[in-house]
Amino acid sequence: KAGVTQTPRYLIKTRGQQVTLSCSPISGHRSVSWYQQTPGQGLQFLFEYFSETQRNKGNFPGRFSGRQFSNSRSEMNVSTLELGDSALYLCASSPGLVGETQYFGPGTRLLVL
Amino acid sequence: AQKITQTQPGMFVQEKEAVTLDCTYDTSDQSYGLFWYKQPSSGEMIFLIYQGSYDEQNATEGRYSLNFQKARKSANLVISASQLGDSAMYFCAMREGLNQAGTALIFGKGTTLSVSS
Repeated sequence: KAGVTQTPRYLIKTRGQQVTLSCSPISGHRSVSWYQQTPGQGLQFLFEYFSETQRNKGNFPGRFSGRQFSNSRSEMNVSTLELGDSALYLCASSPGLVGETQYFGPGTRLLVL
Repeated sequence: AQKITQTQPGMFVQEKEAVTLDCTYDTSDQSYGLFWYKQPSSGEMIFLIYQGSYDEQNATEGRYSLNFQKARKSANLVISASQLGDSAMYFCAMREGLNQAGTALIFGKGTTLSVSS
């Protein structure tokens, strides 16, 4: 089975812009979670989608949003980018049932100038 | 208070030696899961091993084993016979409320493992 794919892999934006990141889960997986990784804060949970519905949300401002499509692919959007949004954004997929393992993609490295 | 604590920022080991990476956790849940992930410099998080709170046996996956001591709330990763390719950052993570779907992983700060020849 193909793994989790994320596009783009690298992105450079300037403050105030917005950005959309994409994640395609492992075939058959219906849950997609997003995490932000920074040197200062480590890995933090953003949100989780299952069957096109946000099922869980972390403690991030409303500038961070996401959605999931009927084929389970997910996008996350960050509006009005700030320098502190520079991070590695990781997406993880799982079947969507209780307690199973999440499998991660290669991440998107976002640099905000 | 931190839910996952990894006290070793960096560890150094020689090839073929065994190494233990420490992880302690804090939860009041009875049903939770503990995970270890490896992150090479490329950035991808690679799943290594899982231990459920109700599992009585320590989990093993090839060269990886998880030393689970529930009363001490520790879940140390043991890598036997280290290889150069094991050089990476290692993260311990926990999912609380394992009987609920959609719960998030909570990660520790990570331990950088360097394997030398």
